[in-house]
Amino acid sequence: NAGVTQTPKFRILKIGQSMTLQCTQDMNHNYMYWYRQDPGMGLKLIYYSVGAGITDKGEVPNGYNVSRSTTEDFPLRLELAAPSQTSVYFCASIPGTGREKLFFGSGTQLSVL
Amino acid sequence: GNSVTQMEGPVTLSEEAFLTINCTYTATGYPSLFWYVQYPGEGLQLLLKATKADDKGSNKGFEATYRKETTSFHLEKGSVQVSDSAVYFCALSDLEGGSEKLVFGKGMKLTVNP
Repeated sequence: NAGVTQTPKFRILKIGQSMTLQCTQDMNHNYMYWYRQDPGMGLKLIYYSVGAGITDKGEVPNGYNVSRSTTEDFPLRLELAAPSQTSVYFCASIPGTGREKLFFGSGTQLSVL
Repeated sequence: GNSVTQMEGPVTLSEEAFLTINCTYTATGYPSLFWYVQYPGEGLQLLLKATKADDKGSNKGFEATYRKETTSFHLEKGSVQVSDSAVYFCALSDLEGGSEKLVFGKGMKLTVNP
Protein backbone atom coordinates (compact mmCIF):
# COMPACT_ATOMS: atom_id res chain seq x y z
CA ASN A 1 0.00 0.00 0.00
CA ALA A 2 1.96 3.00 -1.29
CA GLY A 3 -0.47 5.76 -0.15
CA VAL A 4 0.28 9.12 -1.79
CA THR A 5 3.33 9.17 -4.03
CA GLN A 6 4.93 12.38 -5.27
CA THR A 7 7.69 12.78 -7.81
CA PRO A 8 10.26 14.23 -8.08
CA LYS A 9 11.56 14.80 -4.56
CA PHE A 10 13.84 17.66 -5.58
CA ARG A 11 14.04 19.88 -8.64
CA ILE A 12 15.84 23.03 -9.66
CA LEU A 13 14.32 25.12 -12.44
CA LYS A 14 15.48 28.17 -14.29
CA ILE A 15 13.18 31.17 -14.51
CA GLY A 16 10.68 30.66 -17.33
CA GLN A 17 10.97 26.88 -17.47
CA SER A 18 7.94 24.62 -17.05
CA MET A 19 7.49 21.36 -15.20
CA THR A 20 4.88 18.98 -13.87
CA LEU A 21 4.80 17.67 -10.32
CA GLN A 22 3.29 14.22 -10.25
CA CYS A 23 0.96 12.92 -7.55
CA THR A 24 -0.62 9.47 -7.44
CA GLN A 25 -2.68 7.78 -4.75
CA ASP A 26 -3.74 4.14 -4.64
CA MET A 27 -6.42 4.45 -1.95
CA ASN A 28 -9.32 5.33 -4.29
CA HIS A 29 -9.72 8.67 -2.55
CA ASN A 30 -12.07 11.19 -4.09
CA TYR A 31 -10.52 14.38 -2.73
CA MET A 32 -7.01 15.42 -3.65
CA TYR A 33 -5.14 18.62 -2.78
CA TRP A 34 -2.00 20.49 -3.66
CA TYR A 35 -0.37 22.65 -0.99
CA ARG A 36 2.76 24.73 -0.92
CA GLN A 37 4.73 25.24 2.25
CA ASP A 38 6.81 28.36 2.58
CA PRO A 39 9.05 28.92 5.62
CA GLY A 40 7.05 30.43 8.48
CA MET A 41 3.91 30.55 6.36
CA GLY A 42 2.35 27.18 6.97
CA LEU A 43 0.47 25.46 4.19
CA LYS A 44 -1.37 27.29 1.45
CA LEU A 45 -3.88 25.49 -0.74
CA ILE A 46 -3.11 25.82 -4.46
CA TYR A 47 -5.75 23.63 -6.11
CA TYR A 48 -8.01 20.81 -5.08
CA SER A 49 -10.21 18.21 -6.71
CA VAL A 50 -13.31 16.46 -5.43
CA GLY A 51 -13.23 13.74 -8.06
CA ALA A 52 -12.11 12.83 -11.55
CA GLY A 53 -12.84 15.63 -13.99
CA ILE A 54 -13.47 18.23 -11.26
CA THR A 55 -10.91 20.76 -10.07
CA ASP A 56 -11.13 24.07 -8.26
CA LYS A 57 -8.84 26.87 -7.16
CA GLY A 58 -7.53 27.24 -3.66
CA GLU A 59 -5.95 30.28 -2.03
CA VAL A 60 -2.89 30.67 -4.27
CA PRO A 61 -3.66 29.25 -7.76
CA ASN A 62 -1.85 31.83 -9.90
CA GLY A 63 0.99 30.37 -11.95
CA TYR A 64 -0.28 26.80 -11.62
CA ASN A 65 -2.61 24.44 -13.43
CA VAL A 66 -4.01 21.03 -12.56
CA SER A 67 -5.96 18.23 -14.16
CA ARG A 68 -7.76 15.20 -12.79
CA SER A 69 -8.39 12.75 -15.60
CA THR A 70 -8.37 9.74 -13.26
CA THR A 71 -9.16 9.15 -9.59
CA GLU A 72 -5.54 8.18 -8.95
CA ASP A 73 -3.59 11.04 -10.53
CA PHE A 74 -3.54 14.77 -9.78
CA PRO A 75 -0.57 16.44 -11.51
CA LEU A 76 0.37 20.06 -10.82
CA ARG A 77 1.74 22.05 -13.74
CA LEU A 78 4.00 25.08 -13.37
CA GLU A 79 4.15 27.26 -16.45
CA LEU A 80 6.86 29.92 -16.72
CA ALA A 81 8.45 29.25 -13.34
CA ALA A 82 9.24 32.27 -11.16
CA PRO A 83 11.44 32.63 -8.05
CA SER A 84 8.28 33.19 -5.99
CA GLN A 85 7.36 29.57 -6.69
CA THR A 86 10.38 28.30 -4.77
CA SER A 87 8.73 26.21 -2.09
CA VAL A 88 8.01 22.73 -0.85
CA TYR A 89 4.94 21.23 -2.50
CA PHE A 90 2.75 18.62 -0.87
CA CYS A 91 0.03 16.53 -2.41
CA ALA A 92 -2.65 15.09 -0.12
CA SER A 93 -5.84 13.07 -0.33
CA ILE A 94 -8.87 12.02 1.71
CA PRO A 95 -11.74 9.65 0.91
CA GLY A 96 -14.18 12.56 1.00
CA THR A 97 -16.89 10.70 2.86
CA GLY A 98 -16.40 12.50 6.13
CA ARG A 99 -13.96 14.41 8.29
CA GLU A 100 -11.09 12.00 7.91
CA LYS A 101 -7.43 12.74 8.18
CA LEU A 102 -5.37 13.87 5.23
CA PHE A 103 -2.87 11.47 3.74
CA PHE A 104 0.20 13.41 2.63
CA GLY A 105 2.89 12.66 0.12
CA SER A 106 6.51 13.17 1.15
CA GLY A 107 6.82 16.48 -0.70
CA THR A 108 8.70 18.02 -3.62
CA GLN A 109 11.32 20.64 -2.89
CA LEU A 110 11.42 23.07 -5.82
CA SER A 111 13.90 25.88 -6.34
CA VAL A 112 13.53 28.41 -9.14
CA LEU A 113 16.73 30.28 -9.87
CA GLY B 1 -14.03 32.30 5.63
CA ASN B 2 -12.53 29.73 7.94
CA SER B 3 -9.17 30.38 9.55
CA VAL B 4 -6.76 28.99 12.10
CA THR B 5 -4.46 31.03 14.30
CA GLN B 6 -1.77 29.22 16.17
CA MET B 7 1.10 30.15 18.38
CA GLU B 8 4.21 30.80 16.32
CA GLY B 9 7.69 29.77 17.26
CA PRO B 10 10.26 28.67 17.14
CA VAL B 11 10.18 27.26 20.65
CA THR B 12 13.04 25.47 22.40
CA LEU B 13 12.40 23.34 25.48
CA SER B 14 14.42 21.04 27.65
CA GLU B 15 13.51 17.36 27.81
CA GLU B 16 10.68 16.60 30.25
CA ALA B 17 9.34 20.17 30.09
CA PHE B 18 5.61 20.85 29.74
CA LEU B 19 4.40 21.89 26.30
CA THR B 20 1.39 23.98 25.29
CA ILE B 21 0.79 25.17 21.75
CA ASN B 22 -2.20 27.48 21.46
CA CYS B 23 -4.62 27.22 18.57
CA THR B 24 -7.83 29.15 17.96
CA TYR B 25 -10.12 28.97 14.98
CA THR B 26 -12.82 30.83 13.11
CA ALA B 27 -15.40 28.79 11.27
CA THR B 28 -18.87 29.33 9.90
CA GLY B 29 -19.97 25.72 10.39
CA TYR B 30 -19.07 22.87 12.73
CA PRO B 31 -15.52 21.96 11.83
CA SER B 32 -13.39 19.01 12.73
CA LEU B 33 -10.09 20.00 14.31
CA PHE B 34 -6.69 18.40 13.83
CA TRP B 35 -3.11 18.59 14.92
CA TYR B 36 -0.58 17.49 12.32
CA VAL B 37 3.13 16.98 12.94
CA GLN B 38 5.98 17.24 10.46
CA TYR B 39 9.25 15.60 11.42
CA PRO B 40 12.42 16.84 9.71
CA GLY B 41 12.54 15.87 6.05
CA GLU B 42 9.10 14.27 6.06
CA GLY B 43 5.57 15.10 5.04
CA LEU B 44 2.82 15.96 7.49
CA GLN B 45 1.13 13.23 9.45
CA LEU B 46 -1.91 13.28 11.67
CA LEU B 47 -1.15 13.53 15.38
CA LEU B 48 -4.69 13.71 16.76
CA LYS B 49 -8.15 14.96 15.94
CA ALA B 50 -11.52 15.89 17.44
CA THR B 51 -14.75 16.03 15.50
CA LYS B 52 -17.17 17.74 17.90
CA ALA B 53 -17.30 20.02 20.90
CA ASP B 54 -15.76 18.67 24.14
CA ASP B 55 -14.06 15.78 22.31
CA LYS B 56 -10.51 15.13 23.42
CA GLY B 57 -7.99 13.84 20.92
CA SER B 58 -4.90 12.09 22.23
CA ASN B 59 -1.87 10.30 20.82
CA LYS B 60 1.77 9.71 21.86
CA GLY B 61 1.22 11.60 25.12
CA PHE B 62 -0.23 14.66 23.36
CA GLU B 63 -3.76 15.86 24.08
CA ALA B 64 -6.09 18.54 22.77
CA THR B 65 -9.70 19.32 23.68
CA TYR B 66 -12.21 20.85 21.27
CA ARG B 67 -13.54 23.92 23.09
CA LYS B 68 -16.42 25.47 21.20
CA GLU B 69 -17.02 28.22 23.75
CA THR B 70 -13.49 29.55 23.33
CA THR B 71 -13.04 28.30 19.72
CA SER B 72 -9.79 26.69 20.75
CA PHE B 73 -7.91 23.41 20.33
CA HIS B 74 -4.70 23.82 22.33
CA LEU B 75 -2.12 21.04 22.16
CA GLU B 76 -0.48 19.86 25.39
CA LYS B 77 2.08 17.32 26.50
CA GLY B 78 3.21 16.87 30.05
CA SER B 79 6.78 15.81 29.38
CA VAL B 80 8.38 16.35 25.98
CA GLN B 81 11.15 14.20 24.54
CA VAL B 82 13.94 14.95 22.08
CA SER B 83 12.02 12.87 19.52
CA ASP B 84 9.12 15.38 19.71
CA SER B 85 11.25 17.95 17.87
CA ALA B 86 9.15 18.80 14.83
CA VAL B 87 6.83 21.39 13.31
CA TYR B 88 3.25 21.26 14.62
CA PHE B 89 0.27 22.44 12.60
CA CYS B 90 -3.24 23.09 13.82
CA ALA B 91 -5.90 22.60 11.16
CA LEU B 92 -9.63 22.56 10.66
CA SER B 93 -11.83 20.78 8.20
CA ASP B 94 -15.23 22.07 7.24
CA LEU B 95 -17.68 21.91 4.41
CA GLU B 96 -17.47 25.14 2.48
CA GLY B 97 -19.35 25.66 -0.74
CA GLY B 98 -20.23 21.97 -0.78
CA SER B 99 -16.60 20.80 -0.68
CA GLU B 100 -14.42 19.63 2.17
CA LYS B 101 -11.96 22.43 2.84
CA LEU B 102 -8.95 22.11 5.05
CA VAL B 103 -7.27 25.14 6.53
CA PHE B 104 -3.90 25.06 8.29
CA GLY B 105 -2.22 27.32 10.78
CA LYS B 106 1.28 28.59 10.05
CA GLY B 107 2.98 25.90 12.06
CA MET B 108 5.21 26.03 15.08
CA LYS B 109 8.71 24.61 15.17
CA LEU B 110 9.58 22.87 18.41
CA THR B 111 13.12 21.88 19.37
CA VAL B 112 13.63 19.73 22.45
CA ASN B 113 17.14 19.62 23.89
CA PRO B 114 18.44 16.76 26.03
